[in-house]
Amino acid sequence: AQSVTQLDSHVSVSEGTPVLLRCNYSSSYSPSLFWYVQHPNKGLQLLLKYTSAATLVKGINGFEAEFKKSETSFHLTKPSAHMSDAAEYFCVPTTSGTYKYIFGTGTRLKVLA
Amino acid sequence: NAGVTQTPKFQVLKTGQSMTLQCAQDMNHEYMSWYRQDPGMGLRLIHYSVGAGITDQGEVPNGYNVSRSTTEDFPLRLLSAAPSQTSVYFCASSRYRSAANEKLFFGSGTQLSVL
Repeated sequence: AQSVTQLDSHVSVSEGTPVLLRCNYSSSYSPSLFWYVQHPNKGLQLLLKYTSAATLVKGINGFEAEFKKSETSFHLTKPSAHMSDAAEYFCVPTTSGTYKYIFGTGTRLKVLA
Repeated sequence: NAGVTQTPKFQVLKTGQSMTLQCAQDMNHEYMSWYRQDPGMGLRLIHYSVGAGITDQGEVPNGYNVSRSTTEDFPLRLLSAAPSQTSVYFCASSRYRSAANEKLFFGSGTQLSVL
């Protein structure tokens, strides 16, 4: 069965500095991996997804994530944080044939002026 | 296209009352699901459906019923509301029945308070 760990429940960065949100997954099979973003009082929106093509995946708003099978990780990064990046971010692994998206507990990103 | 539409946006219930949260999608998606979101717990899957007439339980199904009589609609029923069901509820859909490789489209949520 899939499981996912988002290692930090809260991350604070200053505007203009790099962002790193960490995600580790466990799976017996090659996964697909998603990052979703939820801005305050909004629904969720897909940020990016990995589906066994290139290991470095680029998403919207300058975010990217690297799939590292040896580390079972799919960390989300952005070179320079913007105030509008303040949101909650969820990592979601799936496997072929699964009918259940199991979300991580989320990381709340705070961007300081 | 409207996408995924949830109603109502807000609801207050008394303990023991019943109600139905509505979810409709106009994208002809096979897969639909319900999540609840609680602080510090992320989104937890309540029930899901891979097509009309087919539903199954997620992580936290107790206290909730679902049915899928049409492709478009996937209502969530609370038969006897409890304070522990106070939460924000999201409906989500996806093109194909398998979750792999397909993104979820989310509704805007229903904020439910049970007193």
